[in-house]
Amino acid sequence: QVQLQESGPGLVKPSETLSLTCTVSGGSIRSYYWSWIRQPPGKGLEWIGYIYYSGSTNYNPSLKSRVTMSVDTSKNQFSLKLRSVIAADTAVYYCTRGEFEQMLVSDYWGQGTLVTVSS
Amino acid sequence: DIQLTQSPSFLSASVGDRVTITCRASQGISSYSAWYQQKPGKAPKLLIFASSTLQIGVPSRFSGSGSGTEFSLTISSLQPEDFATYYCQQLGSYPFTFGGGTKVEIK
Repeated sequence: QVQLQESGPGLVKPSETLSLTCTVSGGSIRSYYWSWIRQPPGKGLEWIGYIYYSGSTNYNPSLKSRVTMSVDTSKNQFSLKLRSVIAADTAVYYCTRGEFEQMLVSDYWGQGTLVTVSS
Repeated sequence: DIQLTQSPSFLSASVGDRVTITCRASQGISSYSAWYQQKPGKAPKLLIFASSTLQIGVPSRFSGSGSGTEFSLTISSLQPEDFATYYCQQLGSYPFTFGGGTKVEIK
């Protein structure tokens, strides 16, 4: 059974960098697309982007200038960095898995981690 | 970006009711759509993809239909565990986007 687990600081100061890691267990990171999706408290879902296990990426243009995703196949992990954060970046951040044959829908999700941007 | 408009945004229904949620896309997306269910404090769960394909393990009372710009999720007989918020997603064009959600509550 594939499991995803987000990890990283729960509090980030404005203008600093949010850094999260997602560890994949119960399956390989290879041959899949790995996404980050966020949800501000009480609001809807926003797709941040994905990284393929080979390292190719696709980011949401609304965040592209501030986002970097990376993957470490040796550790079965992938990561998100969001620079110059503001209060509006406060959200639950989810990591998810997708595969090409299923249109890249998110079939497995981490439990989510709340990141609060505040001084 | 493709905008997805879900309706209704809130729905009050009883156990056993047939419920339909609609998602309208601002541009055609063929069948590149999905539906998720989210319960409070939990991650969303994939129900349907490719407009009408049921994800493995999802009860058959859930069904999806549509193509182009209009999609729907139907629950044929609402069960107590189905009270949740439902989101549609489009994967036909980058960036992928979600509808605003439909909260299904007990009448």
